[in-house]
Amino acid sequence: DGGITQSPKYLFRKEGQNVTLSCEQNLNHDAMYWYRQDPGQGLRLIYYSQIVNDFQKGDIAEGYSVSREKKESFPLTVTSAQKNPTAFYLCASRTKDRTNTGELFFGEGSRLTVL
Amino acid sequence: SQQGEEDPQALSIQEGENATMNCSYKTSINNLQWYRQNSGRGLVHLILIRSNEREKHSGRLRVTLDTSKKSSSLLITASRAADTASYFCAPGDFNKFYFGSGTKLNVKP
Repeated sequence: DGGITQSPKYLFRKEGQNVTLSCEQNLNHDAMYWYRQDPGQGLRLIYYSQIVNDFQKGDIAEGYSVSREKKESFPLTVTSAQKNPTAFYLCASRTKDRTNTGELFFGEGSRLTVL
Repeated sequence: SQQGEEDPQALSIQEGENATMNCSYKTSINNLQWYRQNSGRGLVHLILIRSNEREKHSGRLRVTLDTSKKSSSLLITASRAADTASYFCAPGDFNKFYFGSGTKLNVKP
């Protein structure tokens, strides 16, 4: 089945540790996105990538890093520099049609808790 | 930022009633999309309306867009208990989508 897979679903981390969240899609989508969602709040854009080997910062990129070495994969690393990393992280992808619109397809999210 | 802002923040209705949610945004957009999120899950796309469209229908959903007022509304007709979820608007430019805090809809059976 086509879709986006995020792993792990739940993750616990000690302060000072880096952690990498995985996002894989088999939809052949060009663009991929990482959002952060805090309880009762909306989604905030961390990073996005429109093509392999290229990515741009979103509104809250500080303390995060990404890579886009393959079209299917867009991993997010939450570094120790991120002051408040406990949150729900959502990965999304979309194709880009000729009008440059297209719905976002979301994974089921990864919930990170810093102990 | 052209982040969408939904109103109301929470809405509680009886099954069978209609639910209306509103969205406002700040800058020019290419399109505006509505998404639904069940608690603890990913978002699911509901409907897209382009900046040159004024109204769009999909099943029990009706979306309007007024670019002069920078606002959109989502109407769910004949609501069901299964419609209970959070609903987000996402004004989009060519590259990014900005989500608001959502409207939490509770449909009571």
